[in-house]
Amino acid sequence: KAGVTQTPRYLIKTRGQQVTLSCSPISGHRSVSWYQQTPGQGLQFLFEYFSETQRNKGNFPGRFSGRQFSNSRSEMNVSTLELGDSALYLCASSSLEGNNSPLHFGNGTRLTVT
Amino acid sequence: LAKTTQPISMDSYEGQEVNITCSHNNIATNDYITWYQQFPSQGPRFIIQGYKTKVTNEVASLFIPADRKSSTLSLPRVSLSDTAVYYCLVGDSFGSSASKIIFGSGTRLSIRP
Repeated sequence: KAGVTQTPRYLIKTRGQQVTLSCSPISGHRSVSWYQQTPGQGLQFLFEYFSETQRNKGNFPGRFSGRQFSNSRSEMNVSTLELGDSALYLCASSSLEGNNSPLHFGNGTRLTVT
Repeated sequence: LAKTTQPISMDSYEGQEVNITCSHNNIATNDYITWYQQFPSQGPRFIIQGYKTKVTNEVASLFIPADRKSSTLSLPRVSLSDTAVYYCLVGDSFGSSASKIIFGSGTRLSIRP
C-alpha cells in the first residue's frame, strides 16, 4: 500500500498570504489528522477529520482550517500567514479498525513564511 | 491523558543495544503504550505498541512491567541509521480520536561509529 502523501513538500510564502496543503491518506483509511511541528513547541495537534466531518480541533486560531473530501483526501488552509506559522505540517491517517490503530504519518510540508 | 517523561537525549555506539525508558505514572487501565521514531524533516514512524509484559517485532522490543507505570523500548544492535528522535505515547483508542494523542519532547538518540 502506498503511504500517506503530502503535497507540496516545500513551500515559501510571505506574511499575509494564504496557503493550502494537501494530504492523501493510506487507501482505506478514513481518519485524517493534522499536526504542526516546530522546534520550540514540538508536535501539536491541529484537527482531525473522519468521513468529511471535523471531529476535533486543537488550540489554534481560526486562521487554520481544513476539510476532508469524500475520498478521504484532506486539505488544510492557513490564511493571513504570520512568521510564526513557519513549521513542518504533518498529516496522519488511521484505519480506526480496533481500538488502537496507530497513526501513519506523511513526510510533511515544510512551510516557510517570510 | 497520561503524561510521559523520557530522557531528552541518549548516546550509544553501533552494535550496542539501546534501551529508552519512558515514565507514565498516570497511565489508565485502557491505555496502550506506543513508540514512534522520527528522522529530521520526516513524519513520525510507528515502531511498536503494547499493553503489558513484552512485545517484540522485527525492529524493536517493548518491555512493560506489571504496574505499567513505565515502559522500555529496546533497540538491538543499533546502527548509525537509528539516529533519530523517539517518542513514547500513552493513550486509549487512538482510533477514536487523534486529538487524544500528545507527543512529548521525545528522546534524541545519537549513534556513533
